[in-house]
Amino acid sequence: GAGVSQSPSNKVTEKGKDVELRCDPISGHTALYWYRQSLGQGLEFLIYFQGNSAPDKSGLPSDRFSAERTGGSVSTLTIQRTQQEDSAVYLCASSGGTSLNIQYFGAGTRLSVL
Amino acid sequence: GQQLNQSPQSMFIQEGEDVSMNCTSSSIFNTWLWYKQDPGEGPVLLIALYKAGELTSNGRLTAQFGITRKDSFLNISASIPSDVGIYFCAGGFLGNTPLVFGKGTRLSVIA
Repeated sequence: GAGVSQSPSNKVTEKGKDVELRCDPISGHTALYWYRQSLGQGLEFLIYFQGNSAPDKSGLPSDRFSAERTGGSVSTLTIQRTQQEDSAVYLCASSGGTSLNIQYFGAGTRLSVL
Repeated sequence: GQQLNQSPQSMFIQEGEDVSMNCTSSSIFNTWLWYKQDPGEGPVLLIALYKAGELTSNGRLTAQFGITRKDSFLNISASIPSDVGIYFCAGGFLGNTPLVFGKGTRLSVIA
């Protein structure tokens, strides 16, 4: 597609349930990033994928968080046994084609854990 | 995780006024980017800077990459209502690597 696409745009879940958030990056972009934006805060890096390399998971806050990227394109961020503090906007970005590190963002998924 | 120090946190200005916001870091970056986020949307890139001392303009926006590589500022001249939103600075490195973001400056423009 023309831009980064994320789904769902909003997700309400109960504490303890698992959720999956999807990101469809810009076609041809080799790098894909997940960030988390809590209320009134900046963007916090979670995980990123670069080509076929192993993902950099250094930003994941706990082992309840995981992500995969299938076929070098679509990515899914999974949060297991959600907690109320997981409530935030989860943003996906992609970059590629040059070394200039210009990241293009999707509109995000707003997750609310009740 | 690491975050940049961005100030001010919020600004209320009259339409037509100029605006200035800045970002500082304790560590060096070799790229600085400024993004704007509207409600319910993802951040959109405004200006990207790649060279210490570089001054770059995009319409009414001007940004500079500090000489020390540890800071950057963004100026908006002659503000208009559609400038309302949250402005984020981000520091990074060349190549596809994660960015480090400030907490944002929330701009409100009073017509």
